Amino acid sequence: AAGVIQSPRHLIKEKRETATLKCYPIPRHDTVYWYQQGPGQDPQFLISFYEKMQSDKGSIPDRFSAQQFSDYHSELNMSSLELGDSALYFCASSFDHEQFFGPGTRLTVL
Amino acid sequence: AQKITQTQPGMFVQEKEAVTLDCTYDTSDPSYGLFWYKQPSSGEMIFLIYQGSYDQQNATEGRYSLNFQKARKSANLVISASQLGDSAMYFCAMRTALKGGSEKLVFGKGTKLTVNP
Repeated sequence: AAGVIQSPRHLIKEKRETATLKCYPIPRHDTVYWYQQGPGQDPQFLISFYEKMQSDKGSIPDRFSAQQFSDYHSELNMSSLELGDSALYFCASSFDHEQFFGPGTRLTVL
Repeated sequence: AQKITQTQPGMFVQEKEAVTLDCTYDTSDPSYGLFWYKQPSSGEMIFLIYQGSYDQQNATEGRYSLNFQKARKSANLVISASQLGDSAMYFCAMRTALKGGSEKLVFGKGTKLTVNP
């Protein structure tokens, strides 16, 4: 069965650089979520999209932005990176209540 | 506010034995859902099982079952016949409705399960 695809799987950036994370949801799933999981932490909700429109925002810094495109893939754009942005970033997609997670992008900011 | 509590930071179990991972929740919503996810050291978040608040039966998926006690607000995960590959972090989560119509997941702090040979 198709799963959520995220790219890249690993990313290393310097402070103050920008990063773009991509997510390809499971086909026919209408909702996409982004979560951030810091080292040793539980995942925290960042933002969601329903049918390509931004639906809700969580604890997402103003330096971050996201969008969903006509083909339903989503991108999380992160600017002016800080050391504290180092984390595992998950994309999840859902059609009903169950959220299926991608493998995550591990971002390291040096 | 919705909250998930996992009181066991770490658990140990012998291979082939059963283990119960505890999860309690707090919500004022009449309709809610509870999830368990497995996160191995590689980092991916693997969906295990889901229980809706109105489901009459406890959810089961292979070796995983969810012991749902609504009055106690608990949703414990039972893993039967543990295998070495079950060693991982386990997260309990609850879906929470948001104003825009989507549902975020609120996670507990997790329980690290170690299966010993």
